[in-house]
Amino acid sequence: NAGVTQTPKFQVLKTGQSMTLQCAQDMNHNSMYWYRQDPGMGLRLIYYSASEGTTDKGEVPNGYNVSRLNKREFSLRLESAAPSQTSVYFCASSEDLLAKNIQYFGAGTRLSVL
Amino acid sequence: KQEVTQIPAALSVPEGENLVLNCSFTDSAIYNLQWFRQDPGKGLTSLLLIQSSQREQTSGRLNASLDKSSGRSTLYIAASQPGDSATYLCAVRFPASGSRLTFGEGTQLTVNP
Repeated sequence: NAGVTQTPKFQVLKTGQSMTLQCAQDMNHNSMYWYRQDPGMGLRLIYYSASEGTTDKGEVPNGYNVSRLNKREFSLRLESAAPSQTSVYFCASSEDLLAKNIQYFGAGTRLSVL
Repeated sequence: KQEVTQIPAALSVPEGENLVLNCSFTDSAIYNLQWFRQDPGKGLTSLLLIQSSQREQTSGRLNASLDKSSGRSTLYIAASQPGDSATYLCAVRFPASGSRLTFGEGTQLTVNP
């Protein structure tokens, strides 16, 4: 049982390049999330998807786009990467948005933008 | 602004010691509070989830308590082991923040053999 799988694990980009971070979960969860983790800032929510076909902005959505491709997959796209987007990105999922539900996290994607 | 604070930022203890990690939050109106463990270079693993109506949760050597009135939670680790070395994160779900979890910055724990 893989849980939440993120690809790639590491990526180096030049300023202005684009890329898509992939996330897939095999727990049949309805809700999925993208966070970024920065030193001194903790984890912050970028976007989330309550269910297949819906997406909503989180705390820090600027510079990112997301796609809920199907129930399993939720991708995060950087259209024009900036050094400020250097971070560790985590995808998470939960049964739904209800408060009782635990969020399960992937191993993360470490992104450096030069 | 709703915030979550964890003190200390780092803690080093000898093996076998019982220890307490602290988490404080600014708004007593919460849905739930979750404790996570993060190993270096890895993702977050959920340890315990305490609902707003609960006072504590236990899993093995871990016990988490919640005191909403004082805006505090503690994670108690009994008989610590070197394998407990990791960063422990506290996250709160506030009603005003919808589905977003508000995270503390974590306590980095080192248990020395």
